[in-house]
Amino acid sequence: DVKVTQSSRYLVKRTGEKVFLECVQDMDHENMFWYRQDPGLGLRLIYFSYDVKMKEKGDIPEGYSVSREKKERFSLILESASTNQTSMYLCASSSPTGRGATEAFFGQGTRLTVV
Amino acid sequence: DQQVKQNSPSLSVQEGRISILNCDYTNSMFDYFLWYKKYPAEGPTFLISISSIKDKNEDGRFTVFLNKSAKHLSLHIVPSQPGDSAVYFCAASARVNYGGSQGNLIFGKGTKLSVKP
Repeated sequence: DVKVTQSSRYLVKRTGEKVFLECVQDMDHENMFWYRQDPGLGLRLIYFSYDVKMKEKGDIPEGYSVSREKKERFSLILESASTNQTSMYLCASSSPTGRGATEAFFGQGTRLTVV
Repeated sequence: DQQVKQNSPSLSVQEGRISILNCDYTNSMFDYFLWYKKYPAEGPTFLISISSIKDKNEDGRFTVFLNKSAKHLSLHIVPSQPGDSAVYFCAASARVNYGGSQGNLIFGKGTKLSVKP
């Protein structure tokens, strides 16, 4: 059974703190993604990575950075958390194998509250 | 500019009836389309997909229709059940390396489906 695991379900952090969100997948997928979900805005892509040490900015990268040192792990970093980063964060992975096989598998999500 | 649009934020349907969720896209490079279902406080789960070489794909109660000329797809759920109540996201990707890695999914804003008993 495929699995994408996010390290925390719920987090509360203070403004200005450095925050790490961790994601691990066990499917040997090349691609990994970080999205945030906000009411009325759907899922917006923050960053993605298509290989170890490779990263690309998504639609809303400001205020975030990422790290991919190993294929199975993709970390999202909030350098200095702000209240507008309160959101549900979703990690996903996929493998671009052949025709149309780009289904992404999601983790359970991390609900981050910045106070 | 939104590349994938779900213009109905919510939909309410009676149990046993058909639910039809719509999605429009603007980018002609997209050639693979997916629907995800999401319950509150959980990650999205994959529901059904369709490649651009097809116009219909069916899986049990779920059918996705693709109209490439209109850049429109729809998800039909028949019959609708209360357990189908969730937010449904439409997503699209391009198999060619367009604007980034292959497999990058672009999501719509979602439609909240409520199925009433």
